[in-house]
Amino acid sequence: GQQLNQNPQSMFIQEGEDVSMNCTSSSIFNTWLWYKQDPGEGPVLLIALYKAGELTSNGRLTAQFGITRKDSFLNISASIPSDVGIYFCAGRGMNRDDKIIFGKGTRLHILP
Amino acid sequence: NAGVTQTPKFQVLKTGQSMTLQCAQDMNHNSMYWYRQDPGMGLRLIYYSASEGTTDKGEVPNGYNVSRLNKREFSLRLESAAPSQTSVYFCALKPGRNNEQFFGPGTRLTVL
Repeated sequence: GQQLNQNPQSMFIQEGEDVSMNCTSSSIFNTWLWYKQDPGEGPVLLIALYKAGELTSNGRLTAQFGITRKDSFLNISASIPSDVGIYFCAGRGMNRDDKIIFGKGTRLHILP
Repeated sequence: NAGVTQTPKFQVLKTGQSMTLQCAQDMNHNSMYWYRQDPGMGLRLIYYSASEGTTDKGEVPNGYNVSRLNKREFSLRLESAAPSQTSVYFCALKPGRNNEQFFGPGTRLTVL
């Protein structure tokens, strides 16, 4: 079946640094989604991508749909304390019956 | 939480007890989903419903049943709870033809 590999599993950065994380899939996707989850809350959609090569921004966040259709990237610029949380990628394959699947998440820690 | 309410927020059960997790929306969307989230595992689809009166199995349906009696509500039932069902359960909606899903606040279930 389809698999998503999300890297890194955990990141420790200094406030103000830029952050980059990625997801790769075992098959071609037609959709990439990026979510953020705060402790005790449900995931919140940050960015949705639907075209290969697409680059979309949401404030300090930028995500890209990889040209190969097998990967996606999320960048956070100038991190701030409220960026702490778990970031999930999710994607959907090309077949009609494919469902959205989720990566295991990247936990972002910001050091004071 | 995107017009999605989940009850209860917390629940502790003994092995063998039964319970129903409730999910309700105020957005009139057709597609609803139940996921479970376990540490280091991301989100895994239990069941989904593409429309009122229809349900289908997801990745991890064993030990669960669902009911979509009307458009507004999608319930998840554990007939005989097991410790392996200790998890956080999220309900999600998919508003339209695109693949974006929006999550409720979750139900935290512990089975002793």
